[in-house]
Amino acid sequence: GNSVTQMEGPVTLSEEAFLTINCTYTATGYPSLFWYVQYPGEGLQLLLKATKADDKGSNKGFEATYRKETTSFHLEKGSVQVSDSAVYFCALSKTGGGADGLTFGKGTHLIIQP
Amino acid sequence: NAGVTQTPKFQVLKTGQSMTLQCAQDMNHEYMSWYRQDPGMGLRLIHYSVGAGITDQGEVPNGYNVSRSTTEDFPLRLLSAAPSQTSVYFCASSPGTGYGNQPQHFGDGTRLSIL
Repeated sequence: GNSVTQMEGPVTLSEEAFLTINCTYTATGYPSLFWYVQYPGEGLQLLLKATKADDKGSNKGFEATYRKETTSFHLEKGSVQVSDSAVYFCALSKTGGGADGLTFGKGTHLIIQP
Repeated sequence: NAGVTQTPKFQVLKTGQSMTLQCAQDMNHEYMSWYRQDPGMGLRLIHYSVGAGITDQGEVPNGYNVSRSTTEDFPLRLLSAAPSQTSVYFCASSPGTGYGNQPQHFGDGTRLSIL
């Protein structure tokens, strides 16, 4: 079946540090890949997405590239801010538009210290 | 612009009680899903629907029922609540067929405690 593996947290960084959160997946065919962010007490918000190999998703300074050869979709940001503190989820959709739901990783809790 | 609305936001039940978690979306989305979020487990799919009158089981369906009588609503029913169902529940929707790989939109969640 489908699965998503992402690095366990919490990840603690200082403000302006470089961020990488690793995500790898297992799926047949060509899934779509997503990063969602969850701020305390809130629901999930889409951060970025990529729908085919070599696509780069980007938003709010975050980037992730769909690497089919390594089945990865690592999240990066060049300079993090305190406001980036949140839980980040990597997810995949096997069918178009998420008809049969998303498969999520367990989430990575990111803590940015001033 | 309501999006996906879940009610209630918080609920405490006793073991054996039943209840319905409500989910409504105003975006005319075909696809809707229910997830539960537990510490260290991420989100796991409970049930999903690809349109009115069509539902199917996800990864963790036991103890839950769903129905989809309208496009807008997708209620989740707990038949006989158990402490293992203590969790945060999220409803999500996405446009559906013909819209490509559009992401799911999530509600704010229902925090459910079973005593």
